[in-house]
Amino acid sequence: KAGVTQTPRYLIKTRGQQVTLSCSPISGHRSVSWYQQTPGQGLQFLFEYFSETQRNKGNFPGRFSGRQFSNSRSEMNVSTLELGDSALYLCASSGSPAEDYGYTFGSGTRLTVV
Amino acid sequence: DQQVKQNSPSLSVQEGRISILNCDYTNSMFDYFLWYKKYPAEGPTFLISISSIKDKNEDGRFTVFLNKSAKHLSLHIVPSQPGDSAVYFCAASARGGGADGLTFGKGTHLIIQP
Repeated sequence: KAGVTQTPRYLIKTRGQQVTLSCSPISGHRSVSWYQQTPGQGLQFLFEYFSETQRNKGNFPGRFSGRQFSNSRSEMNVSTLELGDSALYLCASSGSPAEDYGYTFGSGTRLTVV
Repeated sequence: DQQVKQNSPSLSVQEGRISILNCDYTNSMFDYFLWYKKYPAEGPTFLISISSIKDKNEDGRFTVFLNKSAKHLSLHIVPSQPGDSAVYFCAASARGGGADGLTFGKGTHLIIQP
């Protein structure tokens, strides 16, 4: 079956702009989580959605937001971009929150803010 | 404050020998632990997990050991193969507490020497 699909793969934005990233989970998966990976901080949890509701949120400013649609697809939005937002953004899906087989990650969206 | 620590940024092991990757955690609420493998330009791939009610879980060449009293877990790969060369991330969650997604260590780069 198809894996987790993230679009776009690469993105270059200017400081102050906003950006929307998309994630399509594995078919049948209802839980979608987002992570930010940077060289200095490693992988950090942004938020998790299940059945269109945000279940958990990590320690990120309000400029980072997300949503999940009825088909389980999810989007994350970053407003007023800063240089430090340059990172690999990873989406992960699971059948329900924290299943024993772990989360399946997409290949990520590489965001560069200039 | 890092709640999940992988103190070895890199590890070099000869092909055919055992690779042992270590991970320490500080949050006693963590009750579920996972190991992920990551190649460059790809998302992390789930390897193996362990619940805090167990002290060992095996899957083929991969075995994870959990020592709750020491707040330590390790991943053993036997025998090591060239394709195992990748960055390995340890992750933890507090499923029972419904807390903040997965908390990742900063990774250990495993290099398998021929």
